[in-house]
Amino acid sequence: EVQLVESGGDLVQPGGSLRLSCAASGISFSGHWMSWVRQAPGKGLEWVANINQDGSDENYVDSVKGRFTISRDNAKNSLYLQMNRLRAEDTAVYYCARDRETLFDYWGQGTLVTVSS
Amino acid sequence: DIVVTQTPLSLSVTPGQPASISCKSSQSLLNSDGKTFFYWYLQKPGQPPQLLIYEVSNRFSGVPDRFSGSGSGTDFTLKISRVEAEDVGVYYCMQSMQLPRTFGQGTKLEIK
Repeated sequence: EVQLVESGGDLVQPGGSLRLSCAASGISFSGHWMSWVRQAPGKGLEWVANINQDGSDENYVDSVKGRFTISRDNAKNSLYLQMNRLRAEDTAVYYCARDRETLFDYWGQGTLVTVSS
Repeated sequence: DIVVTQTPLSLSVTPGQPASISCKSSQSLLNSDGKTFFYWYLQKPGQPPQLLIYEVSNRFSGVPDRFSGSGSGTDFTLKISRVEAEDVGVYYCMQSMQLPRTFGQGTKLEIK
Protein backbone atom coordinates (compact mmCIF):
# COMPACT_ATOMS: atom_id res chain seq x y z
CA GLU A 1 0.00 0.00 0.00
CA VAL A 2 1.27 3.44 -0.92
CA GLN A 3 1.70 5.80 2.00
CA LEU A 4 3.07 9.33 2.13
CA VAL A 5 2.88 10.83 5.59
CA GLU A 6 3.83 14.46 6.13
CA SER A 7 4.78 15.93 9.47
CA GLY A 8 6.36 19.01 10.95
CA GLY A 9 3.67 21.58 10.30
CA ASP A 10 3.22 24.15 13.05
CA LEU A 11 2.45 27.75 13.95
CA VAL A 12 5.54 29.88 13.38
CA GLN A 13 6.23 33.59 13.51
CA PRO A 14 7.07 35.57 10.38
CA GLY A 15 10.77 35.30 9.70
CA GLY A 16 10.96 31.93 11.42
CA SER A 17 11.96 28.51 10.16
CA LEU A 18 10.35 25.11 9.93
CA ARG A 19 11.33 21.72 8.54
CA LEU A 20 8.71 19.47 7.02
CA SER A 21 9.17 15.75 6.57
CA CYS A 22 7.44 13.18 4.40
CA ALA A 23 7.81 9.48 5.15
CA ALA A 24 7.20 7.25 2.15
CA SER A 25 6.34 3.59 1.90
CA GLY A 26 5.13 1.35 -0.88
CA ILE A 27 6.24 3.66 -3.74
CA SER A 28 9.83 2.71 -4.63
CA PHE A 29 10.92 6.04 -3.15
CA SER A 30 14.51 6.11 -4.38
CA GLY A 31 13.43 5.53 -7.97
CA HIS A 32 11.34 8.66 -8.37
CA TRP A 33 11.39 12.41 -8.28
CA MET A 34 9.40 13.89 -5.39
CA SER A 35 7.57 17.18 -5.05
CA TRP A 36 6.05 19.49 -2.49
CA VAL A 37 2.74 21.13 -3.43
CA ARG A 38 0.94 23.60 -1.17
CA GLN A 39 -2.59 24.88 -0.77
CA ALA A 40 -3.35 28.09 1.10
CA PRO A 41 -6.56 27.98 3.15
CA GLY A 42 -9.55 27.98 0.82
CA LYS A 43 -7.31 28.45 -2.21
CA GLY A 44 -5.98 26.40 -5.11
CA LEU A 45 -2.90 24.27 -5.58
CA GLU A 46 0.63 25.60 -6.03
CA TRP A 47 3.65 23.47 -6.89
CA VAL A 48 6.54 24.46 -4.61
CA ALA A 49 9.61 22.35 -5.37
CA ASN A 50 10.85 19.03 -6.64
CA ILE A 51 13.97 16.90 -6.36
CA ASN A 52 15.35 14.12 -8.48
CA GLN A 53 16.12 10.57 -7.46
CA ASP A 54 19.59 11.10 -5.99
CA GLY A 55 19.08 14.67 -4.81
CA SER A 56 21.41 16.21 -7.38
CA ASP A 57 18.72 18.28 -9.12
CA GLU A 58 16.23 20.61 -7.44
CA ASN A 59 13.69 23.07 -8.78
CA TYR A 60 11.65 25.73 -7.02
CA VAL A 61 8.81 28.12 -7.71
CA ASP A 62 10.17 31.67 -7.77
CA SER A 63 8.32 32.74 -4.63
CA VAL A 64 10.34 30.34 -2.44
CA LYS A 65 13.73 30.40 -4.15
CA GLY A 66 16.49 31.24 -1.70
CA ARG A 67 14.22 30.57 1.30
CA PHE A 68 13.16 26.92 0.94
CA THR A 69 15.36 23.88 0.40
CA ILE A 70 14.11 20.47 -0.66
CA SER A 71 16.13 17.39 0.22
CA ARG A 72 15.77 13.66 0.61
CA ASP A 73 17.26 10.68 2.40
CA ASN A 74 16.73 7.56 0.33
CA ALA A 75 18.03 5.33 3.11
CA LYS A 76 15.16 6.57 5.27
CA ASN A 77 12.60 6.84 2.43
CA SER A 78 12.08 10.43 3.49
CA LEU A 79 11.59 13.79 1.81
CA TYR A 80 12.17 17.12 3.50
CA LEU A 81 11.41 20.80 3.03
CA GLN A 82 13.47 23.26 5.02
CA MET A 83 11.57 26.56 5.10
CA ASN A 84 13.41 29.70 6.25
CA ARG A 85 12.40 33.36 6.43
CA LEU A 86 8.76 32.35 6.46
CA ARG A 87 6.11 34.84 5.41
CA ALA A 88 2.39 35.05 6.06
CA GLU A 89 1.77 34.06 2.44
CA ASP A 90 3.53 30.73 3.07
CA THR A 91 0.59 29.69 5.25
CA ALA A 92 -0.79 26.55 3.64
CA VAL A 93 -1.26 22.83 3.79
CA TYR A 94 1.89 21.29 2.36
CA TYR A 95 1.53 18.01 0.48
CA CYS A 96 4.32 15.73 -0.62
CA ALA A 97 3.68 13.88 -3.84
CA ARG A 98 5.42 11.32 -5.99
CA ASP A 99 6.56 13.16 -9.08
CA ARG A 100 6.62 11.14 -12.32
CA GLU A 101 8.35 14.13 -13.98
CA THR A 102 5.11 15.23 -15.60
CA LEU A 103 2.42 14.24 -13.13
CA PHE A 104 1.82 13.61 -9.44
CA ASP A 105 0.30 10.20 -8.95
CA TYR A 106 0.36 9.74 -5.17
CA TRP A 107 -0.15 12.41 -2.52
CA GLY A 108 0.10 12.53 1.23
CA GLN A 109 -2.63 13.92 3.49
CA GLY A 110 -0.72 17.15 4.06
CA THR A 111 0.62 19.10 7.02
CA LEU A 112 -0.51 22.61 7.97
CA VAL A 113 1.96 25.45 8.24
CA THR A 114 0.66 28.67 9.76
CA VAL A 115 2.84 31.78 9.69
CA SER A 116 1.48 34.37 12.06
CA SER A 117 2.52 36.56 14.96
CA ASP B 1 5.02 30.98 -16.35
CA ILE B 2 2.24 29.17 -18.20
CA VAL B 3 -1.16 30.38 -17.05
CA VAL B 4 -4.01 27.87 -17.02
CA THR B 5 -7.50 29.37 -16.95
CA GLN B 6 -10.34 27.13 -15.83
CA THR B 7 -14.06 27.60 -16.38
CA PRO B 8 -16.55 27.57 -14.83
CA LEU B 9 -15.41 28.10 -11.25
CA SER B 10 -18.48 26.33 -9.92
CA LEU B 11 -21.01 23.81 -11.16
CA SER B 12 -24.23 22.49 -9.69
CA VAL B 13 -25.37 19.28 -11.33
CA THR B 14 -28.29 16.93 -10.87
CA PRO B 15 -27.21 13.31 -10.34
CA GLY B 16 -27.25 11.41 -13.59
CA GLN B 17 -26.72 14.55 -15.67
CA PRO B 18 -23.51 15.37 -17.54
CA ALA B 19 -20.95 17.99 -16.55
CA SER B 20 -18.15 19.69 -18.42
CA ILE B 21 -15.16 21.74 -17.31
CA SER B 22 -12.79 23.61 -19.60
CA CYS B 23 -9.20 24.74 -19.29
CA LYS B 24 -7.24 27.03 -21.52
CA SER B 25 -3.48 27.29 -21.41
CA SER B 26 -1.50 30.42 -22.27
CA GLN B 27 0.92 28.30 -24.32
CA SER B 28 0.69 25.08 -26.25
CA LEU B 29 1.22 22.01 -24.12
CA LEU B 30 2.17 19.82 -27.07
CA ASN B 31 5.71 18.56 -26.64
CA SER B 32 8.08 17.71 -29.46
CA ASP B 33 7.71 14.01 -28.62
CA GLY B 34 4.01 14.18 -29.46
CA LYS B 35 2.82 14.03 -25.87
CA THR B 36 0.66 16.78 -24.41
CA PHE B 37 1.45 17.51 -20.76
CA PHE B 38 -2.02 18.27 -19.44
CA TYR B 39 -3.73 16.65 -16.45
CA TRP B 40 -6.92 16.64 -14.40
CA TYR B 41 -7.14 16.18 -10.62
CA LEU B 42 -10.09 15.92 -8.24
CA GLN B 43 -9.83 17.05 -4.64
CA LYS B 44 -12.68 15.57 -2.64
CA PRO B 45 -13.64 17.36 0.58
CA GLY B 46 -11.01 16.95 3.25
CA GLN B 47 -8.72 14.91 1.03
CA PRO B 48 -5.57 15.50 -1.01
CA PRO B 49 -5.94 15.78 -4.78
CA GLN B 50 -6.18 12.57 -6.76
CA LEU B 51 -5.13 12.07 -10.36
CA LEU B 52 -8.03 11.51 -12.77
CA ILE B 53 -6.68 12.02 -16.29
CA TYR B 54 -3.13 12.21 -17.62
CA GLU B 55 -1.86 13.47 -20.96
CA VAL B 56 -5.25 14.92 -21.93
CA SER B 57 -7.32 11.78 -22.26
CA ASN B 58 -5.89 8.81 -20.35
CA ARG B 59 -7.77 7.71 -17.26
CA PHE B 60 -5.57 6.93 -14.27
CA SER B 61 -5.87 3.54 -12.59
CA GLY B 62 -9.27 3.04 -10.96
CA VAL B 63 -10.93 6.10 -12.47
CA PRO B 64 -14.47 5.32 -13.66
CA ASP B 65 -15.11 5.49 -17.38
CA ARG B 66 -17.75 8.19 -16.89
CA PHE B 67 -14.76 10.57 -16.76
CA SER B 68 -13.23 11.54 -20.08
CA GLY B 69 -10.73 14.13 -21.21
CA SER B 70 -10.23 15.72 -24.57
CA GLY B 71 -8.52 18.63 -26.26
CA SER B 72 -5.26 19.64 -27.83
CA GLY B 73 -2.70 22.40 -27.87
CA THR B 74 -4.13 25.00 -25.53
CA ASP B 75 -7.77 23.99 -25.04
CA PHE B 76 -8.94 21.07 -22.96
CA THR B 77 -12.17 19.65 -21.54
CA LEU B 78 -13.10 17.23 -18.79
CA LYS B 79 -16.48 15.59 -19.15
CA ILE B 80 -18.43 13.54 -16.67
CA SER B 81 -21.06 11.61 -18.56
CA ARG B 82 -23.36 11.01 -15.59
CA VAL B 83 -22.53 12.79 -12.35
CA GLU B 84 -22.73 10.78 -9.15
CA ALA B 85 -22.77 11.98 -5.55
CA GLU B 86 -19.19 10.79 -5.02
CA ASP B 87 -17.96 13.18 -7.74
CA VAL B 88 -18.36 16.27 -5.53
CA GLY B 89 -15.22 18.25 -4.89
CA VAL B 90 -12.91 20.66 -6.66
CA TYR B 91 -11.50 19.77 -10.06
CA TYR B 92 -8.12 21.15 -11.07
CA CYS B 93 -6.34 21.09 -14.37
CA MET B 94 -2.55 21.22 -14.47
CA GLN B 95 0.19 21.70 -17.03
CA SER B 96 3.61 20.06 -16.91
CA MET B 97 4.98 21.44 -20.14
CA GLN B 98 7.40 23.61 -18.22
CA LEU B 99 8.37 24.48 -14.69
CA PRO B 100 6.79 25.77 -12.60
CA ARG B 101 3.95 23.29 -12.91
CA THR B 102 0.82 25.41 -12.78
CA PHE B 103 -2.77 24.61 -11.91
CA GLY B 104 -6.07 26.10 -12.93
CA GLN B 105 -8.06 27.96 -10.29
CA GLY B 106 -10.28 24.95 -9.64
CA THR B 107 -13.93 24.17 -10.38
CA LYS B 108 -16.16 23.31 -7.45
CA LEU B 109 -18.72 20.67 -8.34
CA GLU B 110 -21.76 20.29 -6.15
CA ILE B 111 -24.79 18.09 -6.42
CA LYS B 112 -28.23 19.67 -6.77
